[in-house]
Amino acid sequence: GDSVTQMEGPVTLSEEAFLTINCTYTATGYPSLFWYVQYPGEGLQLLLKATKADDKGSNKGFEATYRKETTSFHLEKGSVQVSDSAVYFCALTEPTSGTYKYIFGTGTRLKVLA
Amino acid sequence: DAGITQSPRHKVTETGTPVTLRCHQTENHRYMYWYRQDPGHGLRLIHYSYGVKDTDKGEVSDGYSVSRSKTEDFLLTLESATSSQTSVYFCAISVQDNYGYTFGSGTRLTVV
Repeated sequence: GDSVTQMEGPVTLSEEAFLTINCTYTATGYPSLFWYVQYPGEGLQLLLKATKADDKGSNKGFEATYRKETTSFHLEKGSVQVSDSAVYFCALTEPTSGTYKYIFGTGTRLKVLA
Repeated sequence: DAGITQSPRHKVTETGTPVTLRCHQTENHRYMYWYRQDPGHGLRLIHYSYGVKDTDKGEVSDGYSVSRSKTEDFLLTLESATSSQTSVYFCAISVQDNYGYTFGSGTRLTVV
């Protein structure tokens, strides 16, 4: 079945450092890919998405490119801030399934130090 | 989040008791989902609904049941709570596949 694998956390960075959080996937069809962010005590919020190969999703300085050849959707940000400290989840859905179910990775905690 | 609310936000219950969690949406979306979040597992789908009285199981449905008698409400029931069901439960709604989910704020359930 479909699956999502994320790098283990926590990731600890200094403010203004470059961020990469790795995400790879396994899918039988042509999935859409997503990154969600969860701040402490809150639900998950959609951060960005990409629906086909080579698409780049971007939001709030974060970017991720849908790489079909490497089945990856790595999250990047050029200069992190303390306010980016959160848990980040990679997810996929198969649009042709008709169920709109999403499969999530286990999450990667990011801690940014001032 | 605007348009979707979960209740209660926190609950402590005893082993063996039934518990019902409620998810309410004001968006009139057809699809609703219940997930549980546990360390090391991310989010796992318990049950989902694709319309009034139309529900189906997810990957971790044992010990849980759901009901959807109105478009706006999706109830999750733990028939006889166990300590392994201590978790944070999230409800989500979906417009369609490529739009992503909107999540509720979660219910933290502790079974003692």
